Amino acid sequence: GDSVTQMEGPVTLSEEAFLTINCTYTATGYPSLFWYVQYPGEGLQLLLKATKADDKGSNKGFEATYRKETTSFHLEKGSVQVSDSAVYFCALSDQGGSEKLVFGKGTKLTVNP
Amino acid sequence: GAVVSQHPSWVICKSGTSVKIECRSLDFQATTMFWYRQFPKQSLMLMATSNEGSKATYEQGVEKDKFLINHASLTLSTLTVTSAHPEDSSFYICSATRASGSDTQYFGPGTRLTVL
Repeated sequence: GDSVTQMEGPVTLSEEAFLTINCTYTATGYPSLFWYVQYPGEGLQLLLKATKADDKGSNKGFEATYRKETTSFHLEKGSVQVSDSAVYFCALSDQGGSEKLVFGKGTKLTVNP
Repeated sequence: GAVVSQHPSWVICKSGTSVKIECRSLDFQATTMFWYRQFPKQSLMLMATSNEGSKATYEQGVEKDKFLINHASLTLSTLTVTSAHPEDSSFYICSATRASGSDTQYFGPGTRLTVL
């Protein structure tokens, strides 16, 4: 079945550091790929998504590119802020996100001032 | 917009009792709601998908008689854990999609269930 593997956390960075959270997937067909973020005490929020190969999703300074050849969707940000501290989940869906989502385990990011 | 709430945010119950968790879409109508379960340091696992006015579709391995789902209106779905046991202790999260056809799922903040 479909699966998502993302790097184990926790990740601790200093403010303005570069962030990469790796995510790879296994799927039949051509899934849509997502990054969700969960801030403390809140529900998961969609951060960005990409629906086909070579698409780049971006939001709030975060980017991720759908790489079919490496089955990856790594999350990057050039300069993190304390407010980016959260848990980040990589996910895929075979039907654009309106149906079943398959999640990675989540990566907790802490950014220190 | 697109806020989803869950109630309660946490609950402790005795083994053998039943617990009901509510999931509400506060500012939109949700044709479809999803229920997930999350174990510590694990990913969210989809339990079931519910559409308003019809029976829920359960994922393989999820006992439908134990986890009763009712999606009685376009803004409310409930999950009832019947005859709860300690192994049912977990974090339960719901999500909802808009009736307008958007493919984005909006998530609630989750409910922590502890069964003693």
